[in-house]
Amino acid sequence: NAGVTQTPKFQVLKTGQSMTLQCAQDMNHEYMSWYRQDPGMGLRLIHYSVGAGITDQGEVPNGYNVSRSTTEDFPLRLLSAAPSQTSVYFCASSYDTGALNYGYTFGSGTRLTVV
Amino acid sequence: AQKITQTQPGMFVQEKEAVTLDCTYDTSDQSYGLFWYKQPSSGEMIFLIYQGSYDEQNATEGRYSLNFQKARKSANLVISASQLGDSAMYFCAISSGSARQLTFGSGTQLTVLP
Repeated sequence: NAGVTQTPKFQVLKTGQSMTLQCAQDMNHEYMSWYRQDPGMGLRLIHYSVGAGITDQGEVPNGYNVSRSTTEDFPLRLLSAAPSQTSVYFCASSYDTGALNYGYTFGSGTRLTVV
Repeated sequence: AQKITQTQPGMFVQEKEAVTLDCTYDTSDQSYGLFWYKQPSSGEMIFLIYQGSYDEQNATEGRYSLNFQKARKSANLVISASQLGDSAMYFCAISSGSARQLTFGSGTQLTVLP
């Protein structure tokens, strides 16, 4: 099915471990983003990419790295996991429709717990 | 910088009645888009409705309509004929021409009562 695929769906990490959250889309969307959602809050932007080879920081980038080597994939790396990174992570992709409705498509999320 | 404010942490509505979820926004951009998303307990983000800042008519999508008051910077979601399946968290969000990324509010938890 076309859309945004996130893996894994659930993950438990120990403090200090590193891991990569995977995100792939098959819609040839130029734009991809990572958000985190904490209890009682909306989604906050971590990093985003406007195309292959181009990434930039969002509102809460500390502790995370991204790269965009292909149009399809936009992995999020946690360098040294901390309990404050316990959250639900969403990947989203979008495209330029010529208007301001960018056709955002969200993945189903990754629930990460850092102990 | 953009900001979304949702002042209703929780709302209750009787089945088959209409409900309005409030959203106010702040942006310095002249061109922007406003979105509403639904997040059921299963966790996925479901797009409901979109309103462009230059759209003269309020957006509608089935039972959802957006009451857009540009001068007041408000973009309230109206759900008509509420159903039990409408029970969920609802998020208002904004994007602008200068930043394609979405800025979300803190959400409103809607509970539909039988």
